[in-house]
Amino acid sequence: GENVEQHPSTLSVQEGDSAVIKCTYSDSASNYFPWYKQELGKRPQLIIDIRSNVGEKKDQRIAVTLNKTAKHFSLHITETQPEDSAVYFCAASSPNSGGGADGLTFGKGTHLIIQP
Amino acid sequence: DAGVIQSPRHEVTEMGQEVTLRCKPISGHNSLFWYRQTMMRGLELLIYFNNNVPIDDSGMPEDRFSAKMPNASFSTLKIQPSEPRDSAVYFCASSLLIVGMPQYFGPGTRLTVL
Repeated sequence: GENVEQHPSTLSVQEGDSAVIKCTYSDSASNYFPWYKQELGKRPQLIIDIRSNVGEKKDQRIAVTLNKTAKHFSLHITETQPEDSAVYFCAASSPNSGGGADGLTFGKGTHLIIQP
Repeated sequence: DAGVIQSPRHEVTEMGQEVTLRCKPISGHNSLFWYRQTMMRGLELLIYFNNNVPIDDSGMPEDRFSAKMPNASFSTLKIQPSEPRDSAVYFCASSLLIVGMPQYFGPGTRLTVL
């Protein structure tokens, strides 16, 4: 099955600086890579995703890059703000024979701390 | 639009009791996923359904766990008998049955087994 590794487990950056979180995956059949943000006591919320036919995707201050050859993908947050403080999870899934997608395999999460 | 709905939001029970968690997916979504979150194991997939049919239950930890989806708008996850190590937050998520479609999570049920 799929295995997703995520680094670092904790990341502290100064407000206004950039943050980068990296993930690797093992299953070459995986083709969908979402990122979720989870605040304490809340549900995971999708912030950005990328499909395997795309190398990069950007949404305002958030961007994701994908390297299929190396099987790794990264989340980039620029101009960090205090409200960016949360736990971020990367995930991967592959298509199933029924036309949909398998469930997500998650990384262990990165606790992002924005220092004022 | 209502998102994924889960009930109860909190459940406290004693070891050995039966626990039933409920989920209503987003209207029109035909894939439903159950996840469990703990500090030790993180977020892990338990089971998922496509068009109400269970596709992969390899993540269900033991025979004490069972899940059903009797119709497109309702699913249950049952634990019988419950044990303290089942204490976790259980999330339900739904998506469209198309490769690469986002999954949207419900608010979760925080289960505590004493």
